[in-house]
Order: sequence, then structure tokens, then C-alpha cells
Amino acid sequence: GAVVSQHPSWVICKSGTSVKIECRSLDFQATTMFWYRQFPKQSLMLMATSNEGSKATYEQGVEKDKFLINHASLTLSTLTVTSAHPEDSSFYICSARDAGERSPLHFGNGTRLTVT
Amino acid sequence: GENVEQHPSTLSVQEGDSAVIKCTYSDSASNYFPWYKQELGKRPQLIIDIRSNVGEKKDQRIAVTLNKTAKHFSLHITETQPEDSAVYFCAASISGNEKLTFGTGTRLTIIP
Repeated sequence: GAVVSQHPSWVICKSGTSVKIECRSLDFQATTMFWYRQFPKQSLMLMATSNEGSKATYEQGVEKDKFLINHASLTLSTLTVTSAHPEDSSFYICSARDAGERSPLHFGNGTRLTVT
Repeated sequence: GENVEQHPSTLSVQEGDSAVIKCTYSDSASNYFPWYKQELGKRPQLIIDIRSNVGEKKDQRIAVTLNKTAKHFSLHITETQPEDSAVYFCAASISGNEKLTFGTGTRLTIIP
């Protein structure tokens, strides 16, 4: 079945630094990937839709200059948290769907970001 | 935009009994309703989904029902087992638009 790989699985960084998270579709091509954020004991909130070869579409309230998304190929999307602060600490999960309207959405393993 | 509400937020069930989780949605155009199971610190896993041309779908101990008129859908787990303990999320979207809106989650605990 379709597999989405996310890296790293966890990262600790100092306040003010930037962190890059990678999301790869391993056995299928994904023109669209999605980035979610999940705070402890809360639901998954869509941050942005990553579109291969074009700009990402951000949800209301998500700062596009802070959360940089690049989808340079059909199998890779990256999310860079710039100038991270403690309030950015969260579980970030990417997802993608194989071709075909009826294919389910597959999630990466998630990245737990802790900003100290 | 779509708004998905989910109840209850926590549910404790004796092992072997059934568990029911309910969701309502607001956008009548939504026609795809998946359910995800998430264990602590792990990715959400799709356990079952239903489309609006179907009223009920079953896969072994798991079933989902959909009432499009009332805009609600439910997850039913029968003969619950300890490994069913997890957080369950419902979601809704419009087919062809993969953007999923998630419910707030239900923490299910199976009591041995």
C-alpha cells in the first residue's frame, strides 16, 4: 500500500533557529500533500496544502512566512519552521494521497518539534 | 468552510461491549467520511471510510453509518478489545478535494 515517510521523527531546537521537516511519498507520486499540526490532546488542524510546482495554499491564521513549504518534486514536500519559538512546539504531520479520487489519505509518522 | 463536531470526547467501555462515536458535519457538499485511529505519538491510521452514496459499511468488528439528510455519521465497534484503546477521529471532505476537516477526537478506553 501507499507509504508516506516523514523525517525527522523528532527534533529539539533552540528558540530562533529554523527546522526543516521532509515528507516523501515512497511508492507513489503526489501532486498534492497536506501539512497538519496537532497540539497535545487536540485534533489535527490543516496548516497548508502543498502543490507540486506552485505555491502552497495556507489556511487562515497560518503565517506563510513562518511556515515555508516547498514541493519541488512529485514525491517530496518540505516544511520549514523559521525562527521557531516555544509556542511552535507541536506534532507536525504530513499526508498525501495516491492518484485517483477514491484513494485514501495516507499520513506520515509525524515530527514532534520541541523548541526550547 | 466545513465544521465537524464529534462526541463524546472520552468513552470508556467494558471489554466485549460495543462502542459508538458520533459526528456531525455542516457542509452538505461533503461526500467522503473517513475514520482514523491514532495511538499515542503515532500517525493516524485509516480504519474505515464511507461515501455518500452508501448508508452503511462494515468491516469485521467495525461499521460506519451515514445519514446524509441529518448530516451525521457514526462509528460502531463491536466486541471491543483492549487494543481498540486509542483516539478516534472522524473527518469529512468533498471527493476530488482531498482537504479533510477533522473532528475533535474521542479517546476510547477499553476496560479489561
